[in-house]
Amino acid sequence: GAGVSQSPSNKVTEKGKDVELRCDPISGHTALYWYRQSLGQGLEFLIYFQGNSAPDKSGLPSDRFSAERTGGSVSTLTIQRTQQEDSAVYLCASSAPLAWSYEQYFGPGTRLTVT
Amino acid sequence: GDSVTQMEGPVTLSEEAFLTINCTYTATGYPSLFWYVQYPGEGLQLLLKATKADDKGSNKGFEATYRKETTSFHLEKGSVQVSDSAVYFCALSLRDNYGQNFVFGPGTRLSVLP
Repeated sequence: GAGVSQSPSNKVTEKGKDVELRCDPISGHTALYWYRQSLGQGLEFLIYFQGNSAPDKSGLPSDRFSAERTGGSVSTLTIQRTQQEDSAVYLCASSAPLAWSYEQYFGPGTRLTVT
Repeated sequence: GDSVTQMEGPVTLSEEAFLTINCTYTATGYPSLFWYVQYPGEGLQLLLKATKADDKGSNKGFEATYRKETTSFHLEKGSVQVSDSAVYFCALSLRDNYGQNFVFGPGTRLSVLP
Protein backbone atom coordinates (compact mmCIF):
# COMPACT_ATOMS: atom_id res chain seq x y z
CA GLY A 1 0.00 0.00 0.00
CA ALA A 2 0.95 3.61 -0.28
CA GLY A 3 1.20 4.33 3.41
CA VAL A 4 1.15 2.86 6.88
CA SER A 5 -2.19 1.30 7.69
CA GLN A 6 -3.62 0.42 11.06
CA SER A 7 -6.64 -1.56 12.10
CA PRO A 8 -9.09 -1.24 13.57
CA SER A 9 -9.48 2.52 13.36
CA ASN A 10 -11.64 2.49 16.47
CA LYS A 11 -11.97 -0.09 19.21
CA VAL A 12 -14.27 0.01 22.20
CA THR A 13 -13.71 -2.72 24.75
CA GLU A 14 -14.74 -3.55 28.26
CA LYS A 15 -12.29 -3.32 31.10
CA GLY A 16 -10.50 -6.62 31.58
CA LYS A 17 -10.72 -7.78 27.97
CA ASP A 18 -7.74 -8.31 25.71
CA VAL A 19 -7.27 -6.32 22.51
CA GLU A 20 -5.04 -6.65 19.47
CA LEU A 21 -4.03 -3.70 17.34
CA ARG A 22 -2.50 -4.22 13.94
CA CYS A 23 0.00 -2.19 11.96
CA ASP A 24 0.95 -2.74 8.34
CA PRO A 25 4.03 -0.66 7.51
CA ILE A 26 5.15 0.71 4.19
CA SER A 27 6.57 -2.07 2.04
CA GLY A 28 10.32 -2.34 2.47
CA HIS A 29 10.47 -0.37 5.71
CA THR A 30 12.42 -2.45 8.18
CA ALA A 31 11.94 -0.21 11.20
CA LEU A 32 8.56 -0.07 12.95
CA TYR A 33 7.53 1.94 15.99
CA TRP A 34 4.55 1.99 18.30
CA TYR A 35 3.51 5.08 20.23
CA ARG A 36 0.61 6.00 22.45
CA GLN A 37 -1.05 9.39 22.46
CA SER A 38 -3.48 10.16 25.23
CA LEU A 39 -6.05 12.91 24.78
CA GLY A 40 -4.29 16.23 24.37
CA GLN A 41 -0.91 14.73 25.19
CA GLY A 42 2.31 14.15 23.29
CA LEU A 43 3.68 10.91 21.97
CA GLU A 44 4.63 8.19 24.40
CA PHE A 45 7.12 5.74 22.90
CA LEU A 46 6.18 2.10 23.44
CA ILE A 47 8.39 -0.19 21.37
CA TYR A 48 10.66 -0.24 18.34
CA PHE A 49 11.32 -3.10 15.90
CA GLN A 50 14.21 -3.44 13.53
CA GLY A 51 13.17 -6.31 11.31
CA ASN A 52 11.55 -8.88 13.56
CA SER A 53 13.54 -8.09 16.66
CA ALA A 54 12.67 -5.49 19.23
CA PRO A 55 15.88 -4.00 20.58
CA ASP A 56 14.03 -1.38 22.57
CA LYS A 57 11.05 -2.42 24.67
CA SER A 58 11.69 0.20 27.30
CA GLY A 59 8.49 2.09 26.70
CA LEU A 60 6.01 -0.69 27.33
CA PRO A 61 4.07 0.57 30.37
CA SER A 62 3.45 -2.82 31.97
CA ASP A 63 3.65 -6.56 31.36
CA ARG A 64 0.09 -6.42 30.06
CA PHE A 65 1.51 -4.90 26.89
CA SER A 66 3.33 -6.98 24.31
CA ALA A 67 4.12 -6.68 20.63
CA GLU A 68 5.38 -8.91 17.91
CA ARG A 69 6.38 -8.58 14.33
CA THR A 70 6.57 -11.45 11.92
CA GLY A 71 8.14 -11.62 8.51
CA GLY A 72 9.62 -8.19 9.00
CA SER A 73 6.30 -6.65 8.08
CA VAL A 74 3.01 -6.62 10.00
CA SER A 75 3.12 -5.93 13.71
CA THR A 76 0.55 -6.62 16.40
CA LEU A 77 0.33 -4.78 19.70
CA THR A 78 -1.56 -6.75 22.32
CA ILE A 79 -2.96 -5.33 25.53
CA GLN A 80 -4.16 -7.88 28.03
CA ARG A 81 -6.71 -7.24 30.77
CA THR A 82 -7.31 -3.69 29.54
CA GLN A 83 -7.72 -0.88 32.03
CA GLN A 84 -9.42 2.47 31.58
CA GLU A 85 -6.06 4.23 31.62
CA ASP A 86 -5.17 2.31 28.46
CA SER A 87 -7.66 4.46 26.54
CA ALA A 88 -5.67 6.42 23.98
CA VAL A 89 -4.79 6.61 20.31
CA TYR A 90 -2.16 4.04 19.41
CA LEU A 91 0.06 5.16 16.57
CA CYS A 92 2.32 3.08 14.41
CA ALA A 93 5.13 4.44 12.26
CA SER A 94 7.69 2.93 9.93
CA SER A 95 10.92 4.12 8.41
CA ALA A 96 13.19 2.99 5.63
CA PRO A 97 16.07 0.51 5.89
CA LEU A 98 19.14 1.50 7.84
CA ALA A 99 19.87 4.86 6.38
CA TRP A 100 20.77 8.18 7.79
CA SER A 101 18.08 10.79 8.33
CA TYR A 102 15.08 8.81 7.13
CA GLU A 103 11.90 10.17 8.60
CA GLN A 104 9.06 8.19 10.07
CA TYR A 105 5.78 7.73 8.28
CA PHE A 106 2.81 7.48 10.57
CA GLY A 107 -0.40 5.53 10.26
CA PRO A 108 -3.78 7.07 11.11
CA GLY A 109 -3.88 5.42 14.52
CA THR A 110 -6.25 3.18 16.42
CA ARG A 111 -8.46 4.92 18.94
CA LEU A 112 -8.92 2.59 21.90
CA THR A 113 -11.65 3.24 24.43
CA VAL A 114 -11.86 1.05 27.50
CA THR A 115 -15.22 1.29 29.27
CA GLY B 1 19.63 10.23 27.53
CA ASP B 2 18.54 11.90 24.32
CA SER B 3 15.68 14.34 24.68
CA VAL B 4 13.72 17.11 22.96
CA THR B 5 12.27 20.13 24.71
CA GLN B 6 9.63 22.39 23.19
CA MET B 7 8.01 25.57 24.36
CA GLU B 8 4.82 24.90 26.22
CA GLY B 9 1.56 25.70 24.55
CA PRO B 10 -1.01 26.45 23.73
CA VAL B 11 0.09 29.25 21.47
CA THR B 12 -2.69 31.51 20.24
CA LEU B 13 -2.05 33.97 17.41
CA SER B 14 -4.05 36.14 15.11
CA GLU B 15 -3.98 35.44 11.39
CA GLU B 16 -0.90 36.88 9.64
CA ALA B 17 1.09 37.01 12.87
CA PHE B 18 4.69 35.79 13.06
CA LEU B 19 5.19 32.36 14.61
CA THR B 20 8.12 30.94 16.52
CA ILE B 21 8.00 27.61 18.33
CA ASN B 22 11.21 26.91 20.19
CA CYS B 23 12.82 23.49 20.17
CA THR B 24 16.07 22.41 21.79
CA TYR B 25 17.58 18.97 22.00
CA THR B 26 20.09 16.88 23.90
CA ALA B 27 21.76 14.08 22.00
CA THR B 28 24.79 11.87 22.44
CA GLY B 29 25.51 11.80 18.74
CA TYR B 30 24.80 13.88 15.66
CA PRO B 31 21.06 13.67 15.09
CA SER B 32 18.78 14.51 12.23
CA LEU B 33 16.03 16.93 13.23
CA PHE B 34 12.38 17.03 12.24
CA TRP B 35 9.17 18.94 12.71
CA TYR B 36 5.97 16.94 12.48
CA VAL B 37 2.48 18.42 12.39
CA GLN B 38 -0.80 16.90 13.53
CA TYR B 39 -3.91 18.63 12.23
CA PRO B 40 -7.16 18.14 14.17
CA GLY B 41 -8.43 14.60 13.79
CA GLU B 42 -5.52 13.52 11.63
CA GLY B 43 -2.29 11.57 12.00
CA LEU B 44 1.20 12.97 12.24
CA GLN B 45 2.88 14.06 9.06
CA LEU B 46 6.35 15.32 8.38
CA LEU B 47 6.52 19.08 7.97
CA LEU B 48 10.25 19.58 7.41
CA LYS B 49 13.63 18.18 8.32
CA ALA B 50 17.34 18.98 8.46
CA THR B 51 20.18 16.52 8.55
CA LYS B 52 23.29 18.56 9.37
CA ALA B 53 24.38 21.75 11.03
CA ASP B 54 23.24 24.97 9.35
CA ASP B 55 20.80 23.12 7.11
CA LYS B 56 17.47 24.88 6.75
CA GLY B 57 14.34 22.81 6.30
CA SER B 58 11.35 24.51 4.75
CA ASN B 59 7.83 23.62 3.69
CA LYS B 60 4.46 25.40 3.39
CA GLY B 61 6.06 28.68 4.49
CA PHE B 62 7.54 27.13 7.63
CA GLU B 63 11.29 27.13 8.22
CA ALA B 64 13.70 25.74 10.79
CA THR B 65 17.50 25.92 10.89
CA TYR B 66 19.68 23.26 12.50
CA ARG B 67 21.84 25.13 15.01
CA LYS B 68 24.44 22.80 16.44
CA GLU B 69 26.07 25.45 18.60
CA THR B 70 22.83 26.11 20.46
CA THR B 71 21.36 22.60 19.94
CA SER B 72 18.20 24.18 18.60
CA PHE B 73 15.75 23.76 15.74
CA HIS B 74 13.19 26.53 16.17
CA LEU B 75 10.16 26.55 13.88
CA GLU B 76 9.17 29.85 12.25
CA LYS B 77 6.57 31.15 9.88
CA GLY B 78 6.23 34.74 8.78
CA SER B 79 2.45 34.89 8.45
CA VAL B 80 0.26 32.19 9.94
CA GLN B 81 -3.15 31.20 8.65
CA VAL B 82 -6.15 29.71 10.40
CA SER B 83 -5.39 26.47 8.56
CA ASP B 84 -2.06 26.23 10.42
CA SER B 85 -3.90 25.46 13.65
CA ALA B 86 -2.47 22.12 14.73
CA VAL B 87 -0.10 20.46 17.15
CA TYR B 88 3.57 20.70 16.21
CA PHE B 89 6.13 18.12 17.35
CA CYS B 90 9.87 18.56 17.24
CA ALA B 91 11.82 15.32 16.95
CA LEU B 92 15.32 13.97 16.51
CA SER B 93 16.61 10.71 15.13
CA LEU B 94 19.87 8.98 15.86
CA ARG B 95 21.49 5.82 14.65
CA ASP B 96 21.94 3.25 17.38
CA ASN B 97 23.38 -0.25 17.38
CA TYR B 98 20.19 -1.66 15.92
CA GLY B 99 19.05 0.98 13.50
CA GLN B 100 17.44 4.32 13.95
CA ASN B 101 15.69 5.68 16.99
CA PHE B 102 13.41 8.69 17.27
CA VAL B 103 12.76 10.99 20.18
CA PHE B 104 9.76 13.36 20.12
CA GLY B 105 9.09 16.52 22.05
CA PRO B 106 5.78 16.89 23.92
CA GLY B 107 4.15 18.93 21.16
CA THR B 108 3.00 22.54 21.01
CA ARG B 109 -0.62 23.32 20.20
CA LEU B 110 -1.08 26.31 17.91
CA SER B 111 -4.42 28.06 17.50
CA VAL B 112 -4.72 30.76 14.86
CA LEU B 113 -7.72 33.08 15.13
CA PRO B 114 -9.26 34.86 12.14
